[in-house]
Amino acid sequence: GNSVTQMEGPVTLSEEAFLTINCTYTATGYPSLFWYVQYPGEGLQLLLKATKADDKGSNKGFEATYRKETTSFHLEKGSVQVSDSAVYFCALGNAGNMLTFGGGTRLMVKP
Amino acid sequence: DAGVIQSPRHEVTEMGQEVTLRCKPISGHNSLFWYRQTMMRGLELLIYFNNNVPIDDSGMPEDRFSAKMPNASFSTLKIQPSEPRDSAVYFCASSFRDRGETQYFGPGTRLLVL
Repeated sequence: GNSVTQMEGPVTLSEEAFLTINCTYTATGYPSLFWYVQYPGEGLQLLLKATKADDKGSNKGFEATYRKETTSFHLEKGSVQVSDSAVYFCALGNAGNMLTFGGGTRLMVKP
Repeated sequence: DAGVIQSPRHEVTEMGQEVTLRCKPISGHNSLFWYRQTMMRGLELLIYFNNNVPIDDSGMPEDRFSAKMPNASFSTLKIQPSEPRDSAVYFCASSFRDRGETQYFGPGTRLLVL
């Protein structure tokens, strides 16, 4: 079956530090991969996605590359801001339009 | 675009009472999902609909939970009777059915059962 594993948090960084949140997946076929972000008190929002191998999704300075050979979709940002503090979810989408989510990683950015 | 609309945003009720959560998906979307989020269990898919028809309800915890989608623009999730362990944030999401299509989430309903 499908599964997503992401690094446990919380991840605590200083402002302007480099961010990496690891995500690996197990799936049959060729899933699409997503990163969602959840700010306090809000629902999940799509941050970026990639639909095929070697695609790079990017948005708001965040990037992730779909690596089929390592079954990974790690999230990166070169310089985080306090406003990036949130919970980040990696997810995969496969046949049937359902998403399989990872457990979420809380990011805390300190000024 | 109004996005996914959920009501109420907050609900406090006593154990044993009936609770009804409501969702209006994005116009034109034909898939709708109900999720529950807790600290202990994370994000769980409860049920999803395609074209108003329930496709997978394997995540519904027990018979106390039921969901309906009478038309393309409205869905309800009902808990009867409610229990304290049902306390959670309940999210509705919608999408246009396709392989790997993005789901758009509502703001959630925060439920507290006393």
